[in-house]
Amino acid sequence: GQNIDQPTEMTATEGAIVQINCTYQTSGFNGLFWYQQHAGEAPTFLSYNVLDGLEEKGRFSSFLSRSKGYSYLLLKELQMKDSASYLCAALDSNYQLIWGAGTKLIIKP
Amino acid sequence: SQTIHQWPATLVQPVGSPLSLECTVEGTSNPNLYWYRQAAGRGLQLLFYSVGIGQISSEVPQNLSASRPQDRQFILSSKKLLLSDSGFYLCAWSPTRLDHNEQFFGPGTRLTVL
Repeated sequence: GQNIDQPTEMTATEGAIVQINCTYQTSGFNGLFWYQQHAGEAPTFLSYNVLDGLEEKGRFSSFLSRSKGYSYLLLKELQMKDSASYLCAALDSNYQLIWGAGTKLIIKP
Repeated sequence: SQTIHQWPATLVQPVGSPLSLECTVEGTSNPNLYWYRQAAGRGLQLLFYSVGIGQISSEVPQNLSASRPQDRQFILSSKKLLLSDSGFYLCAWSPTRLDHNEQFFGPGTRLTVL
């Protein structure tokens, strides 16, 4: 079966760095997405990785290892507004997104 | 630029009543369209997706149905709502090219069935 695993909840301190991990098992693989979702709102796109390595975009970076079925989202210089759920999703061989349950990130002052 | 609309934003319905949620996309043609449901504190559950007018694929058996009467219109319906239908319903679209299937979400409809 197809499966995405990510931690349910994480807590970090304002100004610090946090890494949210995601492992995936899919039928084929065509890329890995990270979305941010604030409470009560729709998800918004953060990043897309299809090749191995690190993609940096401002304070957010995303890493992919295809051989390990592993990705992480790295958030630097955390701000209170970064408190949200972070959803990992893998694109399978049929170009369908398989979604993780999301990681709720709590930022403390 | 592309825009996706969903309405209503919130809805409270009694058990057994019908449902119709509408989603429209502007600024693109022949998009892939999706309906998701998200229970409180949970991930996204894909309900239906469509690659063209009249083409609907269902991911889970349920009392919901979907229709795509026009290229950029996607409708989620039910004849009789159940308590378990409560949740946050999200419509999304993606471009039809396969090399980058990013999905863009509408604002969502929060449905409470009482």
